[in-house]
Amino acid sequence: DVKVTQSSRYLVKRTGEKVFLECVQDMDHENMFWYRQDPGLGLRLIYFSYDVKMKEKGDIPEGYSVSREKKERFSLILESASTNQTSMYLCASSPGFTGGDEQFFGPGTRLTVL
Amino acid sequence: AQKVTQAQTEISVVEKEDVTLDCVYETRDTTYYLFWYKQPPSGELVFLIRRNSFDEQNEISGRYSWNFQKSTSSFNFTITASQVVDSAVYFCALSEPSSGSARQLTFGSGTQLTVLP
Repeated sequence: DVKVTQSSRYLVKRTGEKVFLECVQDMDHENMFWYRQDPGLGLRLIYFSYDVKMKEKGDIPEGYSVSREKKERFSLILESASTNQTSMYLCASSPGFTGGDEQFFGPGTRLTVL
Repeated sequence: AQKVTQAQTEISVVEKEDVTLDCVYETRDTTYYLFWYKQPPSGELVFLIRRNSFDEQNEISGRYSWNFQKSTSSFNFTITASQVVDSAVYFCALSEPSSGSARQLTFGSGTQLTVLP
């Protein structure tokens, strides 16, 4: 069964802390994505990666960085968390090189920054 | 300009009613894909359907059906005889493979559907 897992379902951090969100997929997918979801705004793409050590900015990359050292793992890093980064973070993966593929999602991490 | 518009923020129906969720998209590409995802209260998005731009046949899967109309740039989703378990946020999404962001999905803002017993 296809699986995308995220390291935490709920996370509470303090302003200024460095935060790591981990995502692992077991489908040997090429592409991995990080989104944030906020009420009324849908899902917005933060970063994605189409290969190990490769990354591309999405629509809202400011304040975030990513790391993909292994094909199955994609990490989202908040260098210095701020309250406006309180949100639901969703990781996804997809197999294709050319687009048009379904994305498979993890359960999400609800991050609260105090 | 918003590429995927889901104008209905929230819909509430009583069980067994039919309900249609609207999705309007915008693209200049001739080849594109449209998706619907369901997000139940547990949070994980579940894929429902993908439709490519060359296939305008309507699709039916059990109580779910999808109406794709290129003339109006719409890809609407109907649930027949709704059930409480259908309560979720539903997202419409667009993929444009020939664009510079080929692998990305652009999501609408979602429609919260509540089915009351």
